[in-house]
Amino acid sequence: EDKVVQSPLSLVVHEGDTVTLNCSYEVTNFRSLLWYKQEKKAPTFLFMLTSSGIEKKSGRLSSILDKKELFSILNITATQTGDSAVYLCAVGIYGNKLVFGAGTILRVKS
Amino acid sequence: EAGVAQSPRYKIIEKRQSVAFWCNPISGHATLYWYQQILGQGPKLLIQFQNNGVVDDSQLPKDRFSAERLKGVDSTLKIQPAKLEDSAVYLCASSLTVNTEAFFGQGTRLTVV
Repeated sequence: EDKVVQSPLSLVVHEGDTVTLNCSYEVTNFRSLLWYKQEKKAPTFLFMLTSSGIEKKSGRLSSILDKKELFSILNITATQTGDSAVYLCAVGIYGNKLVFGAGTILRVKS
Repeated sequence: EAGVAQSPRYKIIEKRQSVAFWCNPISGHATLYWYQQILGQGPKLLIQFQNNGVVDDSQLPKDRFSAERLKGVDSTLKIQPAKLEDSAVYLCASSLTVNTEAFFGQGTRLTVV
C-alpha cells in the first residue's frame, strides 16, 4: 500500500525561527513529490520535486528530495505569523495520482 | 488565470439525503480530481478524470457516490444517500497534464447531521 508519513504532526515556533518539516514515503511507481500549504480549505501549491539533491527555493521556503532514502524536507526560514498553516506532502505516482500525508500543523507565534 | 471554481462552499444535510457538488477546472486542464478530506487527515483521492474518461475511481464508494465529467470540462460529484461519516471537505483539483502539478479549488465543507 502506498504510504506518505509526515513529521512532526504539529509544532509551535516563534516568529523568526527556522523550521524543518519532514516527509517520508513508500510508494510504487514514484513520479514526483509535491508540497502544498493549506490555510482554511484550499491547498496551494508550493513545490514539485522530481530529482534528488536539487534544492527548489521560493523566498524563505526551500525543499529538497532524496530518492535514495525516500524522503523530502521543507525548510522555512525567518518564519512569520502568515506561515501558520497545515503543510501537506503528496507523492505523485503513475498516472499522476497524488497520495497525501496527514500534514504538519505549523503555528507561528508573534 | 482563473482558478478552480467549486460550489457550494458549505452544505448541511441530514443523513440519507442527497447532495451534489460542482467543479469547473482551470481552462485547458485535461485532468480533474475529486478528493475527500476528513478533519485532521490529508486529502484522499475519490476519482480522477482524464478529459471525460475515468482514470481511477478505486477509492470511490460506488454504492453511494457518483461523479461525471460529461463534456470533459466541468464535473459534478453526488452522494446519495449521505451518511454521517461523509462529513468532510470535498476538494476539486485540476492539472494541465498527468505530469504537472495539481491546483485546488476552495472546497465544499459538507456536514451531515
